[in-house]
Amino acid sequence: EVQLVESGGGLVQPGGSLRLSCAASGFTFSSYWMNWVRQAPGKGLVWVSHINTDGSSTNYADSVKGRFTISRDNAKNTLYLQMNSLGPDDTAVYYCTRDGSGEFDSWGQGTLVTVSS
Amino acid sequence: DVVMTQSPLSLPVTLGQPASISCRSSQSLVHIDGNTYLNWFQQRPGQSPRRLIYTVSNRDSGVPDRFSASGSGTDFTLKISRVEAEDVGVYYCMQGTHWPRTFGQGTKVEVK
Repeated sequence: EVQLVESGGGLVQPGGSLRLSCAASGFTFSSYWMNWVRQAPGKGLVWVSHINTDGSSTNYADSVKGRFTISRDNAKNTLYLQMNSLGPDDTAVYYCTRDGSGEFDSWGQGTLVTVSS
Repeated sequence: DVVMTQSPLSLPVTLGQPASISCRSSQSLVHIDGNTYLNWFQQRPGQSPRRLIYTVSNRDSGVPDRFSASGSGTDFTLKISRVEAEDVGVYYCMQGTHWPRTFGQGTKVEVK
């Protein structure tokens, strides 16, 4: 069974940093593209970032480009999102998702990031 | 960016009756490889999203056959043949043909 378990969320002050992790199991992690998708409280889904299988290619939404960095450790079956210069608009539940048979075929439970002073 | 526009945004339904959600994209979703990367997701209250449909009309494993989807180019539709109580939630269309990947605003399905 595919499992994606996010961690690392929490309360951070504006301008601060946070690193999210997503532990993957139940599939060959190194064979799949991965993504982060976020959802602000009471709002819709927004794609944040994507990474290919070996980490050599990444994509970012304009809203996070230059501030967020996606990476992966295939030996540890873990996806990361380093988030810097956080602002209130970054407050959201962050989901780790897999590109399997098409986009976002599996989702984690999400981790909440709250940016507030 | 490709704008995905769903309608209606709120859909009160009667249990056992059909329901339909429309999704339109601001440009064609036909990829240069010939596929159309249009997906549908369900998010039940308090839960993570779950994909229901991929590449326009393919149901994911475990998705009841009362869910169907169709469309082409820029116009797409998700249909529920007979709404059940467990279908309550928000439904999103999403395109994966163009970067960045974009979602529709969501359609809230609730029981009348």
